[in-house]
Amino acid sequence: NAGVMQNPRHLVRRRGQEARLRCSPMKGHSHVYWYRQLPEEGLKFMVYLQKENIIDESGMPKERFSAEFPKEGPSILRIQQVVRGDSAAYFCASSPRGAVEQYFGPGTRLTVT
Amino acid sequence: TQLLEQSPQFLSIQEGENLTVYCNSSSVFSSLQWYRQEPGEGPVLLVTVVTGGEVKKLKRLTFQFGDARKDSSLHITAAQPGDTGLYLCAGSPGGGTSYGKLTFGQGTILTVHP
Repeated sequence: NAGVMQNPRHLVRRRGQEARLRCSPMKGHSHVYWYRQLPEEGLKFMVYLQKENIIDESGMPKERFSAEFPKEGPSILRIQQVVRGDSAAYFCASSPRGAVEQYFGPGTRLTVT
Repeated sequence: TQLLEQSPQFLSIQEGENLTVYCNSSSVFSSLQWYRQEPGEGPVLLVTVVTGGEVKKLKRLTFQFGDARKDSSLHITAAQPGDTGLYLCAGSPGGGTSYGKLTFGQGTILTVHP
């Protein structure tokens, strides 16, 4: 049973470009979560999604960031007009419906130059 | 805003020693999870505790959830170099849709020297 998959593992973007991070949850998992880990800081919750539905986006910056989990395909975290402060590791986690345990992917390391 | 304070932040010990990592909060959590993270990888779930006073054992690791569900501890017996890593606690507030919003502690970096 494959785990949570994220791609790309490493992404380099210039200031002002767009970054698209993808996450495929574990088989049978319908809930997806995105977290950000800034250098020297802990993991911070960003958004919680179910298929075609955003459940909680209280951790998402108000501008430039968006997330979706379509009926078909992976969940996407999109960052428009990236700035240097967006450089971080972005982790996706998934869980089955009703479960508290979250299983994490290997992360995408975003570097903004 | 719920916060989790983890201590110590750094721990450097010799192989064979015992250690305890603490995770404390002023807030009540419906469940608490412990993860271990290696450099360049995502956190790996070790255990989930949900009942106040609950104790769970995973080989040489013992996890305890406080009676009031505000704190937790991780105890490692006879540490080995393979235990080296970043240990994270994460709490779920529970209730409605918020249970998916984990709050993480800052982590404890454990180094076990041979």
